[in-house]
Amino acid sequence: EDQVTQSPEALRLQEGESSSLNCSYTVSGLRGLFWYRQDPGKGPEFLFTLYSAGEEKEKERLKATLTKKESFLHITAPKPEDSATYLCAVQPPRGANNLFFGTGTRLTVIP
Amino acid sequence: SQTIHQWPATLVQPVGSPLSLECTVEGTSNPNLYWYRQAAGRGLQLLFYSVGIGQISSEVPQNLSASRPQDRQFILSSKKLLLSDSGFYLCAWLSWGEGETQYFGPGTRLLVL
Repeated sequence: EDQVTQSPEALRLQEGESSSLNCSYTVSGLRGLFWYRQDPGKGPEFLFTLYSAGEEKEKERLKATLTKKESFLHITAPKPEDSATYLCAVQPPRGANNLFFGTGTRLTVIP
Repeated sequence: SQTIHQWPATLVQPVGSPLSLECTVEGTSNPNLYWYRQAAGRGLQLLFYSVGIGQISSEVPQNLSASRPQDRQFILSSKKLLLSDSGFYLCAWLSWGEGETQYFGPGTRLLVL
Protein backbone atom coordinates (compact mmCIF):
# COMPACT_ATOMS: atom_id res chain seq x y z
CA GLU A 1 0.00 0.00 0.00
CA ASP A 2 1.22 3.48 -0.82
CA GLN A 3 2.50 5.33 2.23
CA VAL A 4 3.76 8.79 3.02
CA THR A 5 5.49 9.43 6.34
CA GLN A 6 6.57 12.83 7.57
CA SER A 7 9.01 13.51 10.38
CA PRO A 8 9.27 14.99 12.86
CA GLU A 9 5.63 15.47 13.85
CA ALA A 10 6.50 18.78 15.46
CA LEU A 11 9.56 21.00 15.38
CA ARG A 12 10.42 24.07 17.41
CA LEU A 13 13.18 26.32 16.13
CA GLN A 14 14.66 29.55 17.29
CA GLU A 15 14.48 32.32 14.74
CA GLY A 16 17.47 31.92 12.42
CA GLU A 17 18.03 28.25 13.32
CA SER A 18 18.02 26.27 10.06
CA SER A 19 16.64 22.75 9.86
CA SER A 20 15.03 20.17 7.57
CA LEU A 21 11.72 18.37 7.42
CA ASN A 22 11.53 14.87 6.02
CA CYS A 23 8.96 13.13 3.82
CA SER A 24 9.55 9.47 3.01
CA TYR A 25 7.37 7.56 0.59
CA THR A 26 6.84 4.05 -0.69
CA VAL A 27 4.92 4.87 -3.86
CA SER A 28 6.12 3.00 -6.91
CA GLY A 29 6.45 4.99 -10.10
CA LEU A 30 6.07 8.39 -8.48
CA ARG A 31 4.52 10.97 -10.82
CA GLY A 32 5.10 13.91 -8.52
CA LEU A 33 5.79 14.95 -4.94
CA PHE A 34 4.13 18.07 -3.58
CA TRP A 35 4.82 20.31 -0.61
CA TYR A 36 2.09 22.48 0.91
CA ARG A 37 2.00 24.91 3.79
CA GLN A 38 -1.10 24.99 5.99
CA ASP A 39 -1.89 27.69 8.53
CA PRO A 40 -4.35 26.86 11.35
CA GLY A 41 -7.94 26.80 10.16
CA LYS A 42 -7.02 27.39 6.52
CA GLY A 43 -6.64 25.33 3.38
CA PRO A 44 -3.21 24.11 2.27
CA GLU A 45 -1.17 26.53 0.19
CA PHE A 46 0.89 25.07 -2.64
CA LEU A 47 4.67 25.44 -2.36
CA PHE A 48 6.54 23.07 -4.68
CA THR A 49 6.25 20.12 -7.03
CA LEU A 50 9.18 17.77 -7.60
CA TYR A 51 9.14 15.15 -10.33
CA SER A 52 12.48 13.35 -10.44
CA ALA A 53 15.30 12.34 -8.12
CA GLY A 54 17.91 15.04 -7.83
CA GLU A 55 15.49 17.86 -8.52
CA GLU A 56 15.57 20.92 -6.26
CA LYS A 57 13.30 23.94 -5.99
CA GLU A 58 13.61 27.08 -3.90
CA LYS A 59 11.29 29.77 -2.67
CA GLU A 60 12.53 32.41 -0.26
CA ARG A 61 13.85 30.55 2.80
CA LEU A 62 12.56 27.16 1.64
CA LYS A 63 14.28 24.59 -0.53
CA ALA A 64 12.80 21.23 -1.47
CA THR A 65 14.85 18.27 -2.66
CA LEU A 66 13.91 14.81 -3.88
CA THR A 67 15.57 11.39 -3.85
CA LYS A 68 14.15 8.04 -4.92
CA LYS A 69 12.75 7.40 -1.44
CA GLU A 70 12.32 10.74 0.29
CA SER A 71 12.07 14.47 0.05
CA PHE A 72 13.45 17.15 2.32
CA LEU A 73 12.16 20.63 2.93
CA HIS A 74 15.08 22.73 4.10
CA ILE A 75 14.31 25.91 5.99
CA THR A 76 17.15 28.39 6.13
CA ALA A 77 17.20 31.09 8.82
CA PRO A 78 13.49 30.73 9.56
CA LYS A 79 11.33 33.59 10.78
CA PRO A 80 8.26 33.43 13.04
CA GLU A 81 6.02 33.84 9.99
CA ASP A 82 7.29 30.48 8.72
CA SER A 83 5.40 28.82 11.56
CA ALA A 84 2.81 26.49 10.02
CA THR A 85 2.16 22.85 9.28
CA TYR A 86 4.01 21.59 6.23
CA LEU A 87 2.33 18.82 4.29
CA CYS A 88 3.87 16.41 1.83
CA ALA A 89 1.81 14.59 -0.80
CA VAL A 90 2.68 12.09 -3.49
CA GLN A 91 0.97 11.40 -6.78
CA PRO A 92 1.05 7.72 -7.76
CA PRO A 93 0.94 6.60 -11.40
CA ARG A 94 -2.80 5.88 -11.35
CA GLY A 95 -6.15 7.52 -10.73
CA ALA A 96 -7.45 10.96 -11.61
CA ASN A 97 -4.50 12.85 -10.22
CA ASN A 98 -5.14 11.54 -6.71
CA LEU A 99 -2.77 12.64 -4.00
CA PHE A 100 -1.73 10.72 -0.88
CA PHE A 101 -0.87 13.01 2.01
CA GLY A 102 1.36 12.65 5.03
CA THR A 103 0.17 13.88 8.42
CA GLY A 104 2.44 16.90 8.30
CA THR A 105 5.14 18.55 10.38
CA ARG A 106 4.02 21.34 12.66
CA LEU A 107 6.75 23.97 12.67
CA THR A 108 6.99 26.65 15.34
CA VAL A 109 9.62 29.38 14.99
CA ILE A 110 10.27 31.25 18.22
CA PRO A 111 11.38 34.90 18.03
CA SER B 1 -6.86 34.21 -12.06
CA GLN B 2 -8.56 31.20 -10.53
CA THR B 3 -10.37 31.36 -7.21
CA ILE B 4 -11.99 28.61 -5.19
CA HIS B 5 -14.72 29.26 -2.64
CA GLN B 6 -16.22 27.07 0.03
CA TRP B 7 -19.40 27.66 1.95
CA PRO B 8 -20.08 27.71 4.84
CA ALA B 9 -16.82 28.35 6.67
CA THR B 10 -18.03 26.75 9.90
CA LEU B 11 -20.98 24.50 10.65
CA VAL B 12 -22.30 22.89 13.82
CA GLN B 13 -24.91 20.22 13.21
CA PRO B 14 -26.70 17.63 15.38
CA VAL B 15 -26.27 13.93 14.76
CA GLY B 16 -28.80 12.67 12.25
CA SER B 17 -29.25 15.99 10.47
CA PRO B 18 -28.56 16.48 6.73
CA LEU B 19 -25.50 18.19 5.31
CA SER B 20 -24.73 20.23 2.24
CA LEU B 21 -21.31 21.81 1.66
CA GLU B 22 -20.66 23.81 -1.47
CA CYS B 23 -17.52 24.45 -3.46
CA THR B 24 -17.31 26.76 -6.46
CA VAL B 25 -14.39 27.59 -8.70
CA GLU B 26 -13.94 30.76 -10.76
CA GLY B 27 -11.62 31.50 -13.66
CA THR B 28 -11.32 28.04 -15.18
CA SER B 29 -13.46 25.64 -17.20
CA ASN B 30 -14.13 21.94 -16.69
CA PRO B 31 -11.70 21.52 -13.83
CA ASN B 32 -11.10 18.25 -12.00
CA LEU B 33 -12.57 18.81 -8.54
CA TYR B 34 -11.84 17.01 -5.27
CA TRP B 35 -13.31 16.70 -1.76
CA TYR B 36 -10.92 15.87 1.08
CA ARG B 37 -11.48 15.48 4.80
CA GLN B 38 -8.82 16.35 7.34
CA ALA B 39 -9.29 14.89 10.80
CA ALA B 40 -7.14 15.86 13.76
CA GLY B 41 -3.79 14.07 13.66
CA ARG B 42 -4.47 12.49 10.29
CA GLY B 43 -3.49 13.32 6.77
CA LEU B 44 -5.91 14.62 4.19
CA GLN B 45 -8.18 11.82 3.03
CA LEU B 46 -9.61 11.96 -0.47
CA LEU B 47 -13.37 11.43 -0.38
CA PHE B 48 -14.58 12.13 -3.92
CA TYR B 49 -13.31 13.49 -7.19
CA SER B 50 -15.01 14.61 -10.36
CA VAL B 51 -13.69 15.04 -13.90
CA GLY B 52 -16.87 16.63 -15.25
CA ILE B 53 -20.56 17.43 -14.74
CA GLY B 54 -22.39 14.46 -13.27
CA GLN B 55 -19.19 12.38 -13.01
CA ILE B 56 -18.34 11.40 -9.46
CA SER B 57 -15.81 8.87 -8.20
CA SER B 58 -15.84 7.75 -4.59
CA GLU B 59 -12.63 6.81 -2.88
CA VAL B 60 -13.90 5.78 0.53
CA PRO B 61 -17.24 4.08 1.34
CA GLN B 62 -19.01 6.25 3.89
CA ASN B 63 -21.98 8.25 4.96
CA LEU B 64 -21.32 11.00 2.45
CA SER B 65 -22.15 11.63 -1.21
CA ALA B 66 -21.07 14.19 -3.78
CA SER B 67 -22.64 15.81 -6.80
CA ARG B 68 -21.50 18.09 -9.58
CA PRO B 69 -24.56 19.85 -10.97
CA GLN B 70 -22.59 22.53 -12.82
CA ASP B 71 -19.15 22.75 -14.40
CA ARG B 72 -17.61 24.72 -11.56
CA GLN B 73 -19.75 23.57 -8.63
CA PHE B 74 -19.08 20.59 -6.40
CA ILE B 75 -21.36 19.66 -3.51
CA LEU B 76 -20.76 17.33 -0.59
CA SER B 77 -23.87 15.95 1.09
CA SER B 78 -25.15 13.62 3.73
CA LYS B 79 -28.68 12.51 4.59
CA LYS B 80 -27.86 11.78 8.24
CA LEU B 81 -24.69 12.99 9.91
CA LEU B 82 -22.67 10.84 12.28
CA LEU B 83 -20.35 12.01 15.03
CA SER B 84 -17.45 10.62 13.01
CA ASP B 85 -18.25 13.03 10.16
CA SER B 86 -16.76 15.90 12.16
CA GLY B 87 -13.66 17.36 10.57
CA PHE B 88 -12.23 19.94 8.23
CA TYR B 89 -13.53 19.55 4.68
CA LEU B 90 -11.43 20.82 1.83
CA CYS B 91 -12.27 21.26 -1.81
CA ALA B 92 -9.54 21.40 -4.43
CA TRP B 93 -9.25 21.94 -8.17
CA LEU B 94 -6.58 20.67 -10.52
CA SER B 95 -4.43 23.00 -12.55
CA TRP B 96 -2.76 21.63 -15.66
CA GLY B 97 -0.38 24.58 -15.83
CA GLU B 98 3.13 23.80 -14.64
CA GLY B 99 2.52 20.12 -14.04
CA GLU B 100 -0.60 18.81 -12.33
CA THR B 101 -1.16 20.78 -9.16
CA GLN B 102 -4.13 20.77 -6.83
CA TYR B 103 -5.11 24.09 -5.28
CA PHE B 104 -7.23 24.11 -2.18
CA GLY B 105 -10.10 26.21 -0.96
CA PRO B 106 -10.35 27.76 2.50
CA GLY B 107 -12.17 24.75 3.97
CA THR B 108 -15.30 24.14 6.03
CA ARG B 109 -15.04 23.21 9.69
CA LEU B 110 -17.84 20.76 10.55
CA LEU B 111 -18.67 19.80 14.11
CA VAL B 112 -21.31 17.14 14.64
CA LEU B 113 -22.75 17.05 18.15
